[in-house]
Amino acid sequence: GQNIDQPTEMTATEGAIVQINCTYQTSGFNGLFWYQQHAGEAPTFLSYNVLDGLEEKGRFSSFLSRSKGYSYLLLKELQMKDSASYLCAVLDSNYQLIWGAGTKLIIKP
Amino acid sequence: IAGITQAPTSQILAAGRRMTLRCTQDMRHNAMYWYRQDLGLGLRLIHYSNTAGTTGKGEVPDGYSVSRANTDDFPLTLASAVPSQTSVYFCASSDGTPNTGELFFGEGSRLTVL
Repeated sequence: GQNIDQPTEMTATEGAIVQINCTYQTSGFNGLFWYQQHAGEAPTFLSYNVLDGLEEKGRFSSFLSRSKGYSYLLLKELQMKDSASYLCAVLDSNYQLIWGAGTKLIIKP
Repeated sequence: IAGITQAPTSQILAAGRRMTLRCTQDMRHNAMYWYRQDLGLGLRLIHYSNTAGTTGKGEVPDGYSVSRANTDDFPLTLASAVPSQTSVYFCASSDGTPNTGELFFGEGSRLTVL
């Protein structure tokens, strides 16, 4: 079966750095996505990786290793507004998105 | 403001009742999707439509139906609601076929079936 694993919850301190990991086992691979979802709101697109390596976008970076079925989202200079759930999703060989359950990130002052 | 509009925002209904969740987008995206989101689970695809006039079944289609008469509208109907359909429902669209993976979501419809 297809599976996306990510930690259920993480806690970090304002101003620090946090890494959220995602491992996947899917039928084929056409890209990995990270979405941010604030409580009670809709998910919003953060990043897309299809080739191995690091993609940087401001305070957020996303890394992919296709051979290991692994990705991480790195958040730097954490702000209180970064408190949210972070969803990892993989586009499989049928171009269907397979979603992880999400990682709830709690930022403490 | 361009985007996706869902209605109602929340609804409580009795088991056995019929319910339609509305979804309208003004971005002229070809593909549209209905997901449900439950605590502890990833988003699960109910139905999708790659273009107006076509629909397809997702991972959890039973008890739900959709139609895509035009590009903008993609309503989701529960013919006879059951308590297990209590969930938050998200409509989404993407500009590309096949799915590019970058989805634009509506604000969600919280449905409680008693």
